[in-house]
Amino acid sequence: QQQVRQSPQSLTVWEGETAILNCSYEDSTFDYFPWYWQFPRESPALLIAIRPVSNKKEDGRFTIFFNKREKKLSLHITDSQPGDSATYFCAAISGSWQLIFGSGTQLTVMP
Amino acid sequence: GGIITQTPKFLIGQEGQKLTLKCQQNFNHDTMYWYRQDSGKGLRLIYYSITENDLQKGDLSEGYDASREKKSSFSLTVTSAQKNEMAVFLCASSIRTGYTEVFFGKGTRLTVV
Repeated sequence: QQQVRQSPQSLTVWEGETAILNCSYEDSTFDYFPWYWQFPRESPALLIAIRPVSNKKEDGRFTIFFNKREKKLSLHITDSQPGDSATYFCAAISGSWQLIFGSGTQLTVMP
Repeated sequence: GGIITQTPKFLIGQEGQKLTLKCQQNFNHDTMYWYRQDSGKGLRLIYYSITENDLQKGDLSEGYDASREKKSSFSLTVTSAQKNEMAVFLCASSIRTGYTEVFFGKGTRLTVV
């Protein structure tokens, strides 16, 4: 079963727009949510992460909004740049310390 | 800094063959992981090892074996390669389990003919 779901599967925005990537989960014991990004022909790398003690985590142009009650989170990328074009994975840590990934959102930022 | 080295980078096998993928890390990390990445399906956890001498199954462990030979190395065996199988296998490590950054190797690309 898919414990971490992401939408949309792909997203295209223009340079300067805000891209919004969505993530939802089922297991209420998940308590750490990192986002990884992966550029073509590269390995995933950590972008930003949040724990449910907060409902917002900001790092420059990247912000995670977290809604614990609805088991949803979203990644907002403001002032999107062509260099942000990548696949973004939402992930979660389970109680057994498994790091579980969603299927990813492929973001394209058009110049 | 450190590095995760996966060997081989490319692996071509035949149907039914037993294939072994190797991973070494020099971060001195306790925890290591094996993920499989298929196009459009994200990363699926095969096995992980919380510390040396530990082995835990992920959701995709059927058809695979793993071995944590020592703290720095973690190998994965495909017990019987499936025809037309194509995927990238990613090894990763973290200082410990939990709320820490996971670092990935560059992957082994498997093709089964």
